[in-house]
Amino acid sequence: ETGVTQTPRHLVMGMTNKKSLKCEQHLGHNAMYWYKQSAKKPLELMFVYNFKEQTENNSVPSRFSPECPNSSHLFLHLHTLQPEDSALYLCASSQDRGAGTGELFFGEGSRLTVL
Amino acid sequence: GQNIDQPTEMTATEGAIVQINCTYQTSGFNGLFWYQQHAGEAPTFLSYNVLDGLEEKGRFSSFLSRSKGYSYLLLKELQMKDSASYLCAVQKTSYDKVIFGPGTSLSVIP
Repeated sequence: ETGVTQTPRHLVMGMTNKKSLKCEQHLGHNAMYWYKQSAKKPLELMFVYNFKEQTENNSVPSRFSPECPNSSHLFLHLHTLQPEDSALYLCASSQDRGAGTGELFFGEGSRLTVL
Repeated sequence: GQNIDQPTEMTATEGAIVQINCTYQTSGFNGLFWYQQHAGEAPTFLSYNVLDGLEEKGRFSSFLSRSKGYSYLLLKELQMKDSASYLCAVQKTSYDKVIFGPGTSLSVIP
């Protein structure tokens, strides 16, 4: 139990569907992140939020739309995805955006399959 | 550009010692992290090195040489539960994103 909870753990969707991934952290952290983990590839940072404000968008396609209503919750809205978007999507939090002296706390991820 | 390299896979025997290397080339350096990720689970923090030298934490130690762009994670008295992926990650500045390496999949055999 890392204090970061992601739902759903598994999701299968068609290319025309709209779905959302949810992340909630109970650690009192100010920064939240979305990472993509594909087989045989390094973890890729997608988005960073610090105090509910988006501070980084790592050239992510617009079919991925993040939302951060408060410092404890982070969503990733998905629409018209492609099969190559199938991956493990990890949410993480840290005390602040830099995580310079602290670590990232990860959720267990949402395994997404796009048919 | 940024580049972080790690061996893809390693195998070691239960009770032995294993060293997992990480080399990096980044345009700046603020610190280096090691994370452990068991299959199907979240990555968890192992260590953070800012200064050169060895940091020891129980059975795990992490070494950093900033001049060489090199780090290693040393695991002693290996246990079967140490079978996992080990991720090296570099942060360029204290307010910059963390860049992850490809990870090393370690298999511990009896």
